[in-house]
Amino acid sequence: GQQLNQSPQSMFIQEGEDVSMNCTSSSIFNTWLWYKQDPGEGPVLLIALYKAGELTSNGRLTAQFGITRKDSFLNISASIPSDVGIYFCAGPPRGMRFGAGTRLTVKP
Amino acid sequence: DTEVTQTPKHLVMGMTNKKSLKCEQHMGHRAMYWYKQKAKKPPELMFVYSYEKLSINESVPSRFSPECPNSSLLNLHLHALQPEDSALYLCASSQEGRGLGYTFGSGTRLTVV
Repeated sequence: GQQLNQSPQSMFIQEGEDVSMNCTSSSIFNTWLWYKQDPGEGPVLLIALYKAGELTSNGRLTAQFGITRKDSFLNISASIPSDVGIYFCAGPPRGMRFGAGTRLTVKP
Repeated sequence: DTEVTQTPKHLVMGMTNKKSLKCEQHMGHRAMYWYKQKAKKPPELMFVYSYEKLSINESVPSRFSPECPNSSLLNLHLHALQPEDSALYLCASSQEGRGLGYTFGSGTRLTVV
């Protein structure tokens, strides 16, 4: 099946720092979705990407669909304590399969 | 209404029990999903319903039996589960097509004893 690799596995950053995480796939994707999951809750969709090269922002979050269609990046600017959680990328079919996740810890 | 509601929030069941998980949405979404999530792991897709018909079954054991009685409801019937089936079971819904508007419920925390 399609391999979806997400990195880093975890990040420990200081409040105010910028964060970057990425996902790569072994094959071409048509959809990239980025989610955040808080403890005891279901994932919440942050950003959806559908076109190679697409760059989309949602507040302090920015995600890009790689031009090769095999990768995607999520950036968080000026992190705050409530950014803590697990961030997942998701890919085909139609964004239904999840990467392993990036666990983000923000120190005040 | 922009929510997916799952009941119960917690469930403890024995290996010989039969129980059901319920999921409800009133957003007019025509695709509904069941996921299983173990601790410190990503959600794993189990089943997809599209227009009330099962469209994807990810080789899930038959002790899990999904049902979509109408466009707003999705059930997961459980029978003869094993302790390793203990997990968070998540329901999601979306508009059909490009996967726009995936909305997840808060899940049912299932413990099999």
